Amino acid sequence: GAVVSQHPSWVICKSGTSVKIECRSLDFQATTMFWYRQFPKQSLMLMATSNEGSKATYEQGVEKDKFLINHASLTLSTLTVTSAHPEDSSFYICSARPSSYEQYFGPGTRLTVT
Amino acid sequence: QKEVEQNSGPLSVPEGAIASLNCTYSDRGSQSFFWYRQYSGKSPELIMSIYSNGDKEDGRFTAQLNKASQYVSLLIRDSQPSDSATYLCAVNTGANSKLTFGKGITLSVRP
Repeated sequence: GAVVSQHPSWVICKSGTSVKIECRSLDFQATTMFWYRQFPKQSLMLMATSNEGSKATYEQGVEKDKFLINHASLTLSTLTVTSAHPEDSSFYICSARPSSYEQYFGPGTRLTVT
Repeated sequence: QKEVEQNSGPLSVPEGAIASLNCTYSDRGSQSFFWYRQYSGKSPELIMSIYSNGDKEDGRFTAQLNKASQYVSLLIRDSQPSDSATYLCAVNTGANSKLTFGKGITLSVRP
């Protein structure tokens, strides 16, 4: 149990375009999901907390107008990177909680902006 | 500011040895403690969770928690080359709160 999926697993896009990443909890409902970003050889960085039916909570320094988060159902959250630039190239990982404590990660989405 | 500290590493052990990974945290209100394993190029995988003082064993893994000392550790017995990965310590302060991660320590198990 506690399986989280992400789609796509990798994406290449041109500078200035937008990319949507989906995160799904497959065998449980998640009122809260989290979005992280990780650059090569660096630590995980929490970008935002996604709450079902309400606005996401963004971490300091994360542009909410650039990284749009929608948590439309108890099993789906999406992250849209708008007007992507090469510096947005990174590994984007979502996570979700089947209970109040343990948190499980999706397999990640590798974004390359050319 | 809540902080989670891990030894900078890397840590190298021979195959079959015990690997000991340590973590300290600053927030005395922390309630839940986790160890994640992250292989290169992959996302983190939850391998252990511990909530009360003492030891918790799961196969070759043992998590140890000492809330008085604000210290949590992970022991890996009979280390295998497949254990070579980065290990992340994570802490949260209560139900539904976000996790605070350490920077991780890279473990290398030499055949």
